[in-house]
Amino acid sequence: GAGVSQSPRYKVAKRGQDVALRCDPISGHVSLFWYQQALGQGPEFLTYFQNEAQLDKSGLPSDRFFAERPEGSVSTLKIQRTQQEDSAVYLCASSLGYRATRLTDTQYFGPGTRLTVL
Amino acid sequence: LAKTTQPISMDSYEGQEVNITCSHNNIATNDYITWYQQFPSQGPRFIIQGYKTKVTNEVASLFIPADRKSSTLSLPRVSLSDTAVYYCLVGDMEYGNKLVFGAGTILRVKS
Repeated sequence: GAGVSQSPRYKVAKRGQDVALRCDPISGHVSLFWYQQALGQGPEFLTYFQNEAQLDKSGLPSDRFFAERPEGSVSTLKIQRTQQEDSAVYLCASSLGYRATRLTDTQYFGPGTRLTVL
Repeated sequence: LAKTTQPISMDSYEGQEVNITCSHNNIATNDYITWYQQFPSQGPRFIIQGYKTKVTNEVASLFIPADRKSSTLSLPRVSLSDTAVYYCLVGDMEYGNKLVFGAGTILRVKS
C-alpha cells in the first residue's frame, strides 16, 4: 500500500479484556515502531523492531504489553487485561531504518488506533 | 536523548510567516534536529531535519545557530490547513531512530 495502515481504527474494550492492534508497514521497510499517545500529549515510544527482531522494548509500560513481528512485516501489539490507563491512541511507524547510516531516516506513521477502556 | 522546550501554542493569520523556536541546551554532538507535524486523528508527519546552519525543503526551513542549542522552524505564508501540532525532536538518528516527543506547539492559523 501507499502508507502505513493500522486496524482497527477504534477499539472499545471492557476493563480486563485482551486486545490486539495490527500494523501494516510500508512494504520493504525494515524498522517498525510502536508509540502510545495520551490525549493532549506527544507520542511516547513503546518498542522497536528491525525485521523480526525486537531490538528495544524499553518503553512497554508493563508485562501486559506484548508486541511481535514474526515475519518481519506485519506487527501486532497485544495488551492483556486492559486497564483504564491503557486508553490512548496507539501509533505505528515504519522506516527504511538501517542503523549503519547517518542519513535522514524518516519515520512514516499510520493513523493510529484509538483504544478506549471502559 | 536531549530534552526539548518549545512554546505550548502560537496564533497566526493566513499568509504570514510563522517561526517556532525550540530549545535543546543539552544537544549532543551526534544529535540531529527533526520536526514533525500532527493533525487531529492522524499520525505525525515528517517536515524537516537538520544538523547545522540552514535546511530548506518545499514546505519549510530550519535554522540552526552555530552552538546548536536551539532551532527555529519557519513556515512561509501559512494557510488554515497548517493548523496543527508541531513537534521538535532531538536525538542521535543512528540509534534505531527512537523518537522522543515533547508536548509540541499548537499552531492556530486564523483567517
